[in-house]
Amino acid sequence: QSALTQPRSVSGSPGQSVTISCTGTSSDVGGSDYVSWYQQHPGKAPKLMIYDVSKRLSGVPDRFSGSKSGNTASLTISGLQAEDEADYYCCSYVGSYIYVFGPGTKVTVL
Amino acid sequence: EVQLLDSGGGLVQPGGSLRLSCAASGFTFNNYAMNWVRQAPGKGLEWISAISGSGGTTYYADSVKGRFTISRDNSKNTLYLQMNSLRAEDTAVYYCAKSFSRSDDYWGQGTLVTVSS
Repeated sequence: QSALTQPRSVSGSPGQSVTISCTGTSSDVGGSDYVSWYQQHPGKAPKLMIYDVSKRLSGVPDRFSGSKSGNTASLTISGLQAEDEADYYCCSYVGSYIYVFGPGTKVTVL
Repeated sequence: EVQLLDSGGGLVQPGGSLRLSCAASGFTFNNYAMNWVRQAPGKGLEWISAISGSGGTTYYADSVKGRFTISRDNSKNTLYLQMNSLRAEDTAVYYCAKSFSRSDDYWGQGTLVTVSS
């Protein structure tokens, strides 16, 4: 399966905005309407935040938003809060019911 | 309330076998495809397998194809993952997931598999 790339880490002060990129190819991110983003706090199961590129799961704060341009999907956290400090993983459908995750990005709130 | 209870993890020697279970409740189990996702210690997430609601169709990541078998017993509301020819790199927390990456996505708490001599 293909590999997605994400920055290893991003950081920001409370109230700032941060954007996490997820770059793939036309065989995954670029060719898929099914890109999702998971948040994972240490020792916890992952939690779906965004699905279908930009749809926010019920109960997810609206400071989280997703988008896609070409082969790169992005997760933006606006108005960063302390509880947003976590690992974030993008995930893309690549066909034949196969999915691939990115390596994850650690978000640090300064 | 949806519940997924992962179990069956433990310590196994390289080359050995293990069967994981995921007991489901709170939803009509046979209406949903189910998935297994794993996470090696300190590493990222890896989707490894899925099965249709009827159990008639299965899908695997290349990393486990030919060694792992996903199955389900809809009469028992239980998902399984039979893992054979285990390797050190299979050491991970294994999660079952319902409606993976859909609006009603839900994961179990995970079960740890350690492959070591």
